[in-house]
Amino acid sequence: DTGVSQDPRHKITKRGQNVTFRCDPISEHNRLYWYRQTLGQGPEFLTYFQNEAQLEKSRLLSDRFSAERPKGSFSTLEIQRTEQGDSAMYLCASGGRANTEAFFGQGTRLTVV
Amino acid sequence: GQQLNQSPQSMFIQEGEDVSMNCTSSSIFNTWLWYKQDPGEGPVLLIALYKAGELTSNGRLTAQFGITRKDSFLNISASIPSDVGIYFCAGPPGHGSQGNLIFGKGTKLSVKP
Repeated sequence: DTGVSQDPRHKITKRGQNVTFRCDPISEHNRLYWYRQTLGQGPEFLTYFQNEAQLEKSRLLSDRFSAERPKGSFSTLEIQRTEQGDSAMYLCASGGRANTEAFFGQGTRLTVV
Repeated sequence: GQQLNQSPQSMFIQEGEDVSMNCTSSSIFNTWLWYKQDPGEGPVLLIALYKAGELTSNGRLTAQFGITRKDSFLNISASIPSDVGIYFCAGPPGHGSQGNLIFGKGTKLSVKP
């Protein structure tokens, strides 16, 4: 296993369109996170899964955002009716049971035009 | 909410110099994580700290978990050009959290012109 994998790496979409991103965590990691990062800022927490259960959601996760992890393995993050303010890097991270360390993927860069 | 403040915001390094940066919070953290991020990539975990007073090294990097549990320090000895990037501290925000991490805004390391 080579680490957390995210797809696509880059996405350009028109305002109002829906987009979906995929994250494949490190095998056997039960924790999975989604973060958003804008220029000059640190990653901001969006949501957290433990296995298939979505345990925590940030206030940043508006009604247009939905995340799933149906079988406790890969996860998807969907943004409906995209807005220009959604332009950011979307990062996925996973972690094992032993501690709170989290390992990040390379991210999906979203540009809404 | 809890915040992590990183200092300095940016710094210039000359090859061979030692570098120091820190991360402070008004709240207690039980874990400190240090990440490095290169442009267009996800953050990479450098060092994890779990115990107050702990000093941990990873090659030329050394990080310390502050005794008060409200701060952490990262030192880079004999810097090299590939040390350039943005360094983030992160930690789980304590009671009530299901495991997410909050991040500082980063310390940007650049090469002296």
